[in-house]
Amino acid sequence: DIVLTQSPASLAVSLGQRATISCRASESVDSYGNSFMHWYQQKPGQPPKLLIYRASNLESGIPARFSGSGSRTDFTLTINPVEADDVATYYCQQSNEDPYTFGGGTKLEIK
Amino acid sequence: QIQLQQSGPELVKPGASVKISCKASGYTFTDYYINWVKQKPGQGLEWIGWIYPGSGNTKYNEKFKGKATLTVDTSSSTAYMQLSSLTSEDTAVYFCARRGLRGNFDYWGQGTTLTVSS
Repeated sequence: DIVLTQSPASLAVSLGQRATISCRASESVDSYGNSFMHWYQQKPGQPPKLLIYRASNLESGIPARFSGSGSRTDFTLTINPVEADDVATYYCQQSNEDPYTFGGGTKLEIK
Repeated sequence: QIQLQQSGPELVKPGASVKISCKASGYTFTDYYINWVKQKPGQGLEWIGWIYPGSGNTKYNEKFKGKATLTVDTSSSTAYMQLSSLTSEDTAVYFCARRGLRGNFDYWGQGTTLTVSS
């Protein structure tokens, strides 16, 4: 199974500043020229919400403050600038091979 | 608009079984995979498996083989997950999610809370 390691597990960022979340895969999640790594935001009591698909593509309706980068085994989610509404837990997920796996999550708080 | 509407919360006794539903609307049900995801209280997300409504084909996470059974009823655009031999370890919120054409989970149900307790 592909293990996804997210870091940090939690972070506190001041409003208007940048938040950077890392996701490292135990093996490549690239196939056919695409990176099958996706990012989700989850707020308490809600289902996850897709933010970024295939590493760097912004899902429709998601603010441009969110961006993703990376390939093969190293990926990053950046939120810049952070707003109060961004308080949530963020998960990476790979769909390159079964079983699909998720990272352990990163909890974002406002400093 | 695309929606996945899940059944309500369940309280069941250890050793029993439960069947959770996920009714899809707003798109062609048979064209997209439905996935199921488990989230234990205060913890992360765990993929259970998928079913392709167009064929009924399924794929399970090895960890959930024998625990979860995925089915669909195409006449009502509803996916089901049956969980058997329930224990306290099955207490969790269960989500259904549509797998989009880009491999991501683009639409999610609201979640079904399952509590296993005597």
